[in-house]
Amino acid sequence: KQEVTQIPAALSVPEGENLVLNCSFTDSAIYNLQWFRQDPGKGLTSLLLIQSSQREQTSGRLNASLDKSSGRSTLYIAASQPGDSATYLCAVSLGVLPNSGNTPLVFGKGTRLSVIA
Amino acid sequence: ETGVTQTPRHLVMGMTNKKSLKCEQHLGHNAMYWYKQSAKKPLELMFVYNFKEQTENNSVPSRFSPECPNSSHLFLHLHTLQPEDSALYLCASSQDRGGEGTEAFFGQGTRLTVV
Repeated sequence: KQEVTQIPAALSVPEGENLVLNCSFTDSAIYNLQWFRQDPGKGLTSLLLIQSSQREQTSGRLNASLDKSSGRSTLYIAASQPGDSATYLCAVSLGVLPNSGNTPLVFGKGTRLSVIA
Repeated sequence: ETGVTQTPRHLVMGMTNKKSLKCEQHLGHNAMYWYKQSAKKPLELMFVYNFKEQTENNSVPSRFSPECPNSSHLFLHLHTLQPEDSALYLCASSQDRGGEGTEAFFGQGTRLTVV
């Protein structure tokens, strides 16, 4: 059974710092990995999608890497801002369901980030 | 108009009530999902629909009944729920192409409280 672990569970940093969030998964046979942001009481906003054949993806100040063989991904946030405060969720696809082609996600519990001004 | 819209945003219901959650996606996707997010637990997959057909029921109790009348709309019918069913219910959609992992988009969720 695929399990996703995110470390640390919570993180507080001063504004302007660069930071790294970690995600690990137990089964390396994934189709993709996705990082999301969730503000309190709200839905999920997709940040980055990394296909299993890719090593990293970048969007603005965010960079996500994937090492499938070791079951690890990192989300790097450069020059953090108070607006980055949120919970960051890592999710991996279960792979293709038989007869449907669907790729549901398995989530970690998230890292709650606070960026202090 | 956002990609995935859920209504209502908040719902309080008694254990004997019947209510429905609604999800609509405006992205032209072929797959829709229900997830449950409880306090201090990871998001859990509940149901998967592909082209209106349910392809996965992740051992969800029968007091939760999904309905997918077309590829753009998804409902979750609720009846005789328990207080432990209180959670944030999230709908998602994606364009699943059979073997090619694609990006999932989520709605804002419905915060359900069972009293």
